[in-house]
Amino acid sequence: AQSVAQPEDQVNVAEGNPLTVKCTYSVSGNPYLFWYVQYPNRGLQFLLKYITGDNLVKGSYGFEAEFNKSQTSFHLKKPSALVSDSALYFCAVRDQEDDKIIFGKGTRLHILP
Amino acid sequence: AAGVIQSPRHLIKEKRETATLKCYPIPRHDTVYWYQQGPGQDPQFLISFYEKMQSDKGSIPDRFSAQQFSDYHSELNMSSLELGDSALYFCASSWRTSGPASRETQYFGPGTRLLVL
Repeated sequence: AQSVAQPEDQVNVAEGNPLTVKCTYSVSGNPYLFWYVQYPNRGLQFLLKYITGDNLVKGSYGFEAEFNKSQTSFHLKKPSALVSDSALYFCAVRDQEDDKIIFGKGTRLHILP
Repeated sequence: AAGVIQSPRHLIKEKRETATLKCYPIPRHDTVYWYQQGPGQDPQFLISFYEKMQSDKGSIPDRFSAQQFSDYHSELNMSSLELGDSALYFCASSWRTSGPASRETQYFGPGTRLLVL
């Protein structure tokens, strides 16, 4: 069975500092991995994905994520945080044979001015 | 760029009533997915359709049904509403017909917030 774990409910980072939001996954086959962001009272916005190829994936708004197969991780990173990055971030996994996306519980990111 | 459109954006119903949520996918997208996000929860997959046929099924209650129409829009019909159905309902769409690799990114709409009183 597929699963995603986001070990931190909340992450606080000072503006201008690098940020990391952690994610680990478990799938039976090769994974499709995603990060989505949700702002208050808004839908889920796609940030980036890993399908195959380079382990470092670059996405929207300066975010990137590193796929690590041996550690089954897909941590989200950004070199310099902005206050506007404050939101709820979901890591998600999709098995190649399934339609559904399995989401983690979400990590609330607070960027402190 | 055009996004997924959902209507209505907000809906208030009484217990035991019915509700219909509509989803209009991104133009040229042929696959539609429905998710339910309860308060403080992660989104849970309900059901999906590809080319008007049910493609996958998740934790959708028997009281709910859905379909995809010839213009690719989809409707989620919810009957005998319960208090626990209060949630944010997302529709997402993707484009599958270019091959397996296209089944990659689901683009989500803004959601319909349903409140059952």
